[in-house]
Amino acid sequence: QVQLQESGPGLVKPSETLSLTCAVSGYSISSGYYWGWIRQPPGKGLEWIGSIYHSGSTYYNPSLKSRVTISVDTSKNQFSLKLSSVTAADTAVYYCARTDAFDIWGQGTMVTVSS
Amino acid sequence: QAVVTQEPSLTVSPGGTVTLTCGSSTGAVTSGHYPYWFQQKPGQAPRTLIYDTSNKHSWTPARFSGSLLGGKAALTLSGAQPEDEAEYYCLLSYSGALYVFGTGTKVTVL
Repeated sequence: QVQLQESGPGLVKPSETLSLTCAVSGYSISSGYYWGWIRQPPGKGLEWIGSIYHSGSTYYNPSLKSRVTISVDTSKNQFSLKLSSVTAADTAVYYCARTDAFDIWGQGTMVTVSS
Repeated sequence: QAVVTQEPSLTVSPGGTVTLTCGSSTGAVTSGHYPYWFQQKPGQAPRTLIYDTSNKHSWTPARFSGSLLGGKAALTLSGAQPEDEAEYYCLLSYSGALYVFGTGTKVTVL
């Protein structure tokens, strides 16, 4: 059974970089599939941030592309999100997911941007 | 970037039928957008109901079905149950690698 678990700081200061990791269990990332990040501001809708293939190919939301980096670490069987120059508008629940079919999601982690 | 639009809210009677739609600002939604449908309940992660327009996962209740209707993607709930009350989001793929979520539809079973 494939499971995803997000981890990272719950509070980030404005202008700093948000960093999250998604640990994958029950499946080896190096075997394939796309893995990605989605976020949801409090009381609002879902936003796809980007996806990465196990080989490292990345696809980003054009509206966030200049600030986003998604990477994969096959040795640790995890992938990561970095979002730079954050503002209060980046406050959200961040989910990781297998984005080939969006069939497997992490439980989500709340990240607040505040000084 | 495309804007994907859904009805803000819909109400259905228990046992009734309701159809949610998902439209794209770029034109007609086709199978090439690989439409997805998700159900999200408060405090929970979204759960995929439908992928590639009409395909169901093993956990998708039979009362949910997906289709293309009048240039939009559609999710039909036939025989609504109280537990179907939730927010529903569609997702469209653009150029095979970029995704845009819909604005969401709050479904009330009343």
